[in-house]
Amino acid sequence: GPKVLQIPSHQIIDMGQMVTLNCDPVSNHLYFYWYKQILGQQMEFLVNFYNGKVMEKSKLFKDQFSVERPDGSYFTLKIQPTALEDSAVYFCASSLKLDYAEQFFGPGTRLTVL
Amino acid sequence: GDSVTQTEGLVTVTEGLPVKLNCTYQTTYLTIAFFWYVQYLNEAPQVLLRSSTDNKRTEHQGFHATLHKSSSSFHLQKSSAQLSDSALYYCALKDTGGLSGKLTFGEGTQVTVIS
Repeated sequence: GPKVLQIPSHQIIDMGQMVTLNCDPVSNHLYFYWYKQILGQQMEFLVNFYNGKVMEKSKLFKDQFSVERPDGSYFTLKIQPTALEDSAVYFCASSLKLDYAEQFFGPGTRLTVL
Repeated sequence: GDSVTQTEGLVTVTEGLPVKLNCTYQTTYLTIAFFWYVQYLNEAPQVLLRSSTDNKRTEHQGFHATLHKSSSSFHLQKSSAQLSDSALYYCALKDTGGLSGKLTFGEGTQVTVIS
């Protein structure tokens, strides 16, 4: 089936540095999402993105977070500056529609902030 | 707020025996859909089943689930577990009437099938 790719699979950085997580969504999809999963906890919604804009964001989507998808390239999540509590696995997803449509997930990027 | 609860964190089942994973929810959304996602080791979560119709059984790959709004449940079942069913299973709720498309996930159930 359709694949969502995430680059890198692992990232280790020092607290205070900037990090960009990259997602290559399914090619004809229009809606894009980021979810965060802290070790041992459930996956939680961060943000969704459509037509160049953030549609909705959760309380977890702090001011240090930003998303973009310039010119149909990677859908990115940038964290600047990073904090220890940002350590988690970040999953990207995409879907063709909003309603009952399936969201296709990537395998996740494991971010470790030291 | 909205929440999804999966009561079993770990389930071990013998090959050929039935398996049932519980999923209950609380929501204020008026229109909802439910998904079971399965995540094999080192792979991306993928949809196993989905439903938005009350009391209608949905099936895929030998698994089945029925949304029961009266009991706020969407349990996943299989009559005969296979070794290849060993994976992490997530139940997820979606608001189909809003603008976010947000999925609310349960904590996940790790299933191990033994021979």
